[in-house]
Amino acid sequence: DAMVIQNPRYQVTQFGKPVTLSCSQTLNHNVMYWYQQKSSQAPKLLFHYYDKDFNNEADTPDNFQSRRPNTSFCFLDIRSPGLGDAAMYLCATGGFGLSTYNEQFFGPGTRLTVL
Amino acid sequence: GDSVTQMEGPVTLSEEAFLTINCTYTATGYPSLFWYVQYPGEGLQLLLKATKADDKGSNKGFEATYRKETTSFHLEKGSVQVSDSAVYFCALKTGANNLFFGTGTRLTVIP
Repeated sequence: DAMVIQNPRYQVTQFGKPVTLSCSQTLNHNVMYWYQQKSSQAPKLLFHYYDKDFNNEADTPDNFQSRRPNTSFCFLDIRSPGLGDAAMYLCATGGFGLSTYNEQFFGPGTRLTVL
Repeated sequence: GDSVTQMEGPVTLSEEAFLTINCTYTATGYPSLFWYVQYPGEGLQLLLKATKADDKGSNKGFEATYRKETTSFHLEKGSVQVSDSAVYFCALKTGANNLFFGTGTRLTVIP
């Protein structure tokens, strides 16, 4: 089945230790998104890629970076995680230009714990 | 700017009760509207959507109608089950890529 896969599902890191979260998709969608969802809150968009074009939200901290080496993969890098960065990180894809272009497909999320 | 206002929870219902979760929106242009569901420990799943006024989205017994005159997209289900226990998010999307989510409503259904 076509899907959005996130690895790992659970990640524990130490305060200040860089961490990378991974997302892959088999949907061949040209848009990929990263959301941060803190406990009992709505998901908040961090940034997205439209093909190779990177689009950062204005209020996304510089501590968060992203890479998209090809259509299928996208990474979220947190350079120096703080305690406030503990959250669920959701990857999503969208196929702009298709009949479902305005629909986003979400992965299961990676829950990040910062010690 | 675009925004979604969603009924605050938590909501607790007995099995087979009727469910309504209110959602209203503010948007420029003509948004598409969505309901997403998030089961414990999981990501978001699209429950239903409507892309223009008067459209009704439906799935798994859930329904929502896009009401432009009241800028609403209320979620309803006639008879809830224990397995419907989850957090429900209303969301809108305009021409841009961003999905604007409501704050979520936690539903607990008790046997």
